[in-house]
Amino acid sequence: DAGVTQSPTHLIKTRGQQVTLRCSPKSGHDTVSWYQQALGQGPQFIFQYYEEEERQRGNFPDRFSGHQFPNYSSELNVNALLLGDSALYLCASSRDRSYNEQFFGPGTRLTVL
Amino acid sequence: SQQGEEDPQALSIQEGENATMNCSYKTSINNLQWYRQNSGRGLVHLILIRSNEREKHSGRLRVTLDTSKKSSSLLITASRAADTASYFCATVPFLNSGGYQKVTFGTGTKLQVIP
Repeated sequence: DAGVTQSPTHLIKTRGQQVTLRCSPKSGHDTVSWYQQALGQGPQFIFQYYEEEERQRGNFPDRFSGHQFPNYSSELNVNALLLGDSALYLCASSRDRSYNEQFFGPGTRLTVL
Repeated sequence: SQQGEEDPQALSIQEGENATMNCSYKTSINNLQWYRQNSGRGLVHLILIRSNEREKHSGRLRVTLDTSKKSSSLLITASRAADTASYFCATVPFLNSGGYQKVTFGTGTKLQVIP
């Protein structure tokens, strides 16, 4: 049983560019949440997707957007990248929009130069 | 913003010793969870304690919750080198209206277990 997978593992972009990160949830899970984790900090909630719609959102600007596909996989898009967007981006999956016992992927390390 | 704050920020102990880390939070909660993260990788769920529970055990882990003080502690007994990681508490707020609220992670405690 595959757990949560994310791609790519690492990514280097320059300011102003756009990036797309991908996530496949654990088998049997229908909910995907995205988090941003800066170095030395705890994860910060970006948003949650369920039934192909954004259900909740944290304090992130509209430059951060996402999508969920019918197979429950998800994408995180960030436009007009800033240096401060450099972080580890984590995807977590769960069932029925629950935040109890989320399963996390290994993350995508984004560096913005 | 971070809801929870872990204390201490960093902890270094010898293998076999017990490790205790604390989490304080600000608002009423539905439950509190502890996660482990190895070397900037994905988080692993360790244990969940509900607001009406005071103590919970899972293997070498013991979690306590004091809702009057808005604090929780995680005790790892007989630590091993493999326990070296960052530990985060995460809170799910209580909503009178029911429904869903997002989880908020604390700032983390970095634990080093020396063999």
